[in-house]
Amino acid sequence: GNSVTQMEGPVTLSEEAFLTINCTYTATGYPSLFWYVQYPGEGLQLLLKATKADDKGSNKGFEATYRKETTSFHLEKGSVQVSDSAVYFCALTQGGSEKLVFGKGMKLTVNP
Amino acid sequence: DSGVTQTPKHLITATGQRVTLRCSPRSGDLSVYWYQQSLDQGLQFLIQYYNGEERAKGNILERFSAQQFPDLHSELNLSSLELGDSALYFCASSDRGGYSPLHFGNGTRLTVT
Repeated sequence: GNSVTQMEGPVTLSEEAFLTINCTYTATGYPSLFWYVQYPGEGLQLLLKATKADDKGSNKGFEATYRKETTSFHLEKGSVQVSDSAVYFCALTQGGSEKLVFGKGMKLTVNP
Repeated sequence: DSGVTQTPKHLITATGQRVTLRCSPRSGDLSVYWYQQSLDQGLQFLIQYYNGEERAKGNILERFSAQQFPDLHSELNLSSLELGDSALYFCASSDRGGYSPLHFGNGTRLTVT
């Protein structure tokens, strides 16, 4: 079945550091790919998405590119802020399915 | 604020008991999804309803059931509770499902003692 594998962390960075969170997927066909973020005490929020190969999703300084050849959707940010401290989830949906399949999430802490 | 409301925020109950979790979706959204988040299993999809009808089923136990009412709010019923059912239960909604983004509530934290 469909699955998502991502770095689990936790990861601690200093402010202005570069962030990469790896995400790879297993799916047949052409899934849509998402990154969701969960701030402390809140539900998940959509951060960015890409629906076809080579698409780049971007939002709030975060970027991820849909790489079909490596089945990856790595999340990057050039300079993290304390306010980026959260749990980040990679996810996919497939074809007509409306079910999101999530990775296990990665907790990021950014220190000033 | 996502517009999705979940009640209660916290629930503490004993093994063997039954509880009901409630979700009001974002205005205009027809799809409601239930997810369970635990430390060992991560985020697990339980069930989806679309405009009152069950649309998709995931790893939902037979002791659990859900429904979506004509006003589109949804309830998740958990019965014969076990210690392992302790988790954060999220409701999410979307307008069309599929490629539409999901809007999550803040969750109900269930503790079974």
